Amino acid sequence: AQSVTQLGSHVSVSEGALVLLRCNYSSSVPPYLFWYVQYPNQGLQLLLKYTSAATLVKGINGFEAEFKKSETSFHLTKPSAHMSDAAEYFCAVRGTDSWGKLQFGAGTQVVVTP
Amino acid sequence: DTAVSQTPKYLVTQMGNDKSIKCEQNLGHDTMYWYKQDSKKFLKIMFSYNNKELIINETVPNRFSPKSPDKAHLNLHINSLELGDSAVYFCASSLRDRSNNEQFFGPGTRLTVL
Repeated sequence: AQSVTQLGSHVSVSEGALVLLRCNYSSSVPPYLFWYVQYPNQGLQLLLKYTSAATLVKGINGFEAEFKKSETSFHLTKPSAHMSDAAEYFCAVRGTDSWGKLQFGAGTQVVVTP
Repeated sequence: DTAVSQTPKYLVTQMGNDKSIKCEQNLGHDTMYWYKQDSKKFLKIMFSYNNKELIINETVPNRFSPKSPDKAHLNLHINSLELGDSAVYFCASSLRDRSNNEQFFGPGTRLTVL
């Protein structure tokens, strides 16, 4: 069974600083990986997804993630944080043999300070 | 146009009551899901339907009964509501195949059981 672990339930960054959110997965084969963002009182929105076509994936709002098989990681980064990046971020994994079933990490809340 | 919509957005009710949450998608997807997000923001899949057929049924009390009248709708009926049912329920939809198609989420229904 696939699972994901997000290190750090709460991250505080200064505006303009690097955002780094960590996600590690456990799977016997490279799974499909996703990062979703949830703004307060809203649903989830896809930031980016790993397609196996490229290990560095670019998403919306300046975010990107790098798939590292050797480290079983899919960390999310953004070079310069903006106040509007304050939200909850979820890493999710979907196995190649499970029909659409997403397993979510526990989430990381990002707070951006001026 | 709203891609995945849910009604109601907020639902406050007494223990023991029966309630329903409705979900509709206009994306032409063939698969729909229900997720539960608890007070700690943890997301867990409950059910999934593909072309009106139940394909995922996690360990959910049988007080929860999903119904899919057609591909564009997936409703969730909950009998004999309990305090522990208080959560945010998200509907999602996608195309079912073995690729990494993303799931599109609705805005959520916040259920409060008193």
